[in-house]
Amino acid sequence: QVQLQESGPGLVKPSETLSLTCTVSGASVTSGNDYWSWIRQLPGKGLEWIAFVYYGGTTYYSPSFKGRASISVDTSRGQLSLKLHSVTAADTAVYYCARGTGPFLRNHFDPWGQGTLVTVSS
Amino acid sequence: SYELTQPPSLSVSPGQTASITCSGDELGNKFVSWYQQKSGQSPVLVIYRDANRPSGIPERVSGSKSGNTATLTFSVTQAIDEADYYCQVWDSGTVVFGGGTKLTVL
Repeated sequence: QVQLQESGPGLVKPSETLSLTCTVSGASVTSGNDYWSWIRQLPGKGLEWIAFVYYGGTTYYSPSFKGRASISVDTSRGQLSLKLHSVTAADTAVYYCARGTGPFLRNHFDPWGQGTLVTVSS
Repeated sequence: SYELTQPPSLSVSPGQTASITCSGDELGNKFVSWYQQKSGQSPVLVIYRDANRPSGIPERVSGSKSGNTATLTFSVTQAIDEADYYCQVWDSGTVVFGGGTKLTVL
């Protein structure tokens, strides 16, 4: 059974960098069949995809986050990470990691982690 | 940018059929997935590739697509189905989610 667990600071100051980690168990982050994504949900709002990384370290970013977000995998630890630079209060959200499976650039997300709330505030 | 349109809310009585729609340009050329999100929980995949159910999702939950509209249907809605539902596709290398539909079972 694949499980994902997000971790990171719950509070980040404006203009700083948000750093999150997702620990994957039951699957390999080096699998060529899986695409590891970060998705967020603003308070009371819908879902917003940020980026994904897959085998070999290839990355795709939402245009909304390109240049501000950085996604990577640590194969030795079986973790995926997200860095979001120059955060503002508008980045306050629950951040989820999720596994993408299925055809490349047509995949679905299953499972999702439990999510971690990040608040941007001084 | 690409958009998916869902009704913000839908109310249904237990035992009735509930249908949630998701519309978007050229949706016929894309795979549609659906996610259920109960209050305070993370999303769960309920339909993938338009009409496929993951293991553990009951048969009364189904997905379909016609033209530019995809539909998530609960044939016999139960109280446990009360949740927010999101459709999702890929467009031009980007993931797009619909705005979500709050399903209320009265």
